[in-house]
Amino acid sequence: RKEVEQDPGPFNVPEGATVAFNCTYSNSASQSFFWYRQDCRKEPKLLMSVYSSGNEDGRFTAQLNRASQYISLLIRDSKLSDSATYLCVVRLLDSSASKIIFGSGTRLSIRP
Amino acid sequence: GAGVSQSPSNKVTEKGKDVELRCDPISGHTALYWYRQSLGQGLEFLIYFQGNSAPDKSGLPSDRFSAERTGGSVSTLTIQRTQQEDSAVYLCASSLRGGGPHEQYFGPGTRLTVT
Repeated sequence: RKEVEQDPGPFNVPEGATVAFNCTYSNSASQSFFWYRQDCRKEPKLLMSVYSSGNEDGRFTAQLNRASQYISLLIRDSKLSDSATYLCVVRLLDSSASKIIFGSGTRLSIRP
Repeated sequence: GAGVSQSPSNKVTEKGKDVELRCDPISGHTALYWYRQSLGQGLEFLIYFQGNSAPDKSGLPSDRFSAERTGGSVSTLTIQRTQQEDSAVYLCASSLRGGGPHEQYFGPGTRLTVT
C-alpha cells in the first residue's frame, strides 16, 4: 500500500461546478499536510497548507481528518484556470526529509 | 528575489555517460531537496541537504547517484553510467529550513533523456 494515495482522475467537470477530492495517508505519525498544484510540464507550487481545524483560501477549502487519515480539497465555483494536477503532500513527525511524501496527484480538467 | 534555478533545462545523453545536474536554491534557504518525476508519475524523493550536509540519502536509487552541496548554496546531482530508466525530470526544491511546515519552492526541473 502506498504511503500517500490519491485518485488519479481525471476529474472532468464544467466551469462553475464544485469538485472535491481526497488523499489518504497510512502513517499516523504524519504531522504536516499540504496541497500542491502542478500544471502540465511545470514545477509543483504550494496551493495551501492543511491545518487541523480546516482552512479556507478563497474558493479552496482544505480539511484534515486524523481519525480516518485523510485530507480533502474542495474547489468551489471552478474556473478553467483550475485545470491542473493536485498533489497531496504529507510530512511525518520525524524532521528528516525522507518523510516528505508526495502523492501521485489527481488530474482536474475544467471544461467551458 | 530570484527563485530556484536549475541547469540545464534539458539534457540528452547516451546510455553509459555521466551527467551532472545543477541547482541554485533561493538565497538564504538552508534546506535543499532533490526529487525525480517520471512521466505521469508523482515525485520521488532522492536526497535532502541541510546546509552542506545530507542527513538523508535514503532516496538515492543506486550508487550511481550522488549529490553534493557547497557553501550552503549550489547543489549538483551526478548520475554515473546513465541508464534508460534514469530518464525523468529532476526537480530541485529549497525551503527556509528543513523540518516543520515550511513551504518548498521548486525549480523548473531538468528533463533528462537517456538514449
